[in-house]
Amino acid sequence: DVHLVESGGGLVQPGGSLRLSCTVSGFTFTSHWMSWVRQAPGKGLEWVANIDEDGSEEFYVDSVKGRFTISRDNAKNSLYLQMNSLRVEDTAVYYCAREAYGEYYFDYWGQGTLVPVSS
Amino acid sequence: QLVLTQSPSASASLGASVKLTCTLSSGHSTYNIAWHQQQPEKGPRFLMRISGGGSLSKGDGIPDRFSGSSSGAERYLTISSLQSDDEADYYCQTWGTGIRVFGGGTTLTVL
Repeated sequence: DVHLVESGGGLVQPGGSLRLSCTVSGFTFTSHWMSWVRQAPGKGLEWVANIDEDGSEEFYVDSVKGRFTISRDNAKNSLYLQMNSLRVEDTAVYYCAREAYGEYYFDYWGQGTLVPVSS
Repeated sequence: QLVLTQSPSASASLGASVKLTCTLSSGHSTYNIAWHQQQPEKGPRFLMRISGGGSLSKGDGIPDRFSGSSSGAERYLTISSLQSDDEADYYCQTWGTGIRVFGGGTTLTVL
């Protein structure tokens, strides 16, 4: 079975930093692009960033460019999101998602980790 | 600009059918999309991928009550024999080079 488990969320002050992790199992990690998707309280889903199979390509939504960095460690079957200069508007549940092989829709999701940004 | 448009809400009666619509922006009518379900207080779940030609690829364990179709720039999700736990938010999603895009979501109420 495919499993994605996020960790690392928690309360952080504006301007602070946090690193999210996503550990996966049940599939060949190196065959898939991976993404982070977030959902602010009461709002819809917003794609945040993604990374290709070997970590050589990364893309970001404009609102996080220069502040967030996505990375992966294929030896550890893990995906990361380093979040710096956090803002109140970054408050959300952050989901790790697998992108389907050969296509780019999200075919498996983690359970999410909450990141409240507040003073 | 690649944009997906969904109606904010829909409702239908228990046991009935409902058809949700996702519209692709101008110039993107051939794009494939995916549908995701998010039940209250839960994470999203992938339902199916629909191609511009209408071919489907469903997620693991998705019942036959869930089906999809395509017409022009519109992509549809049809849920038949509605059950109470179909009450959820439904999001469509598409992709371009380096970007992933969600529609605003449709909240389905089962009456």
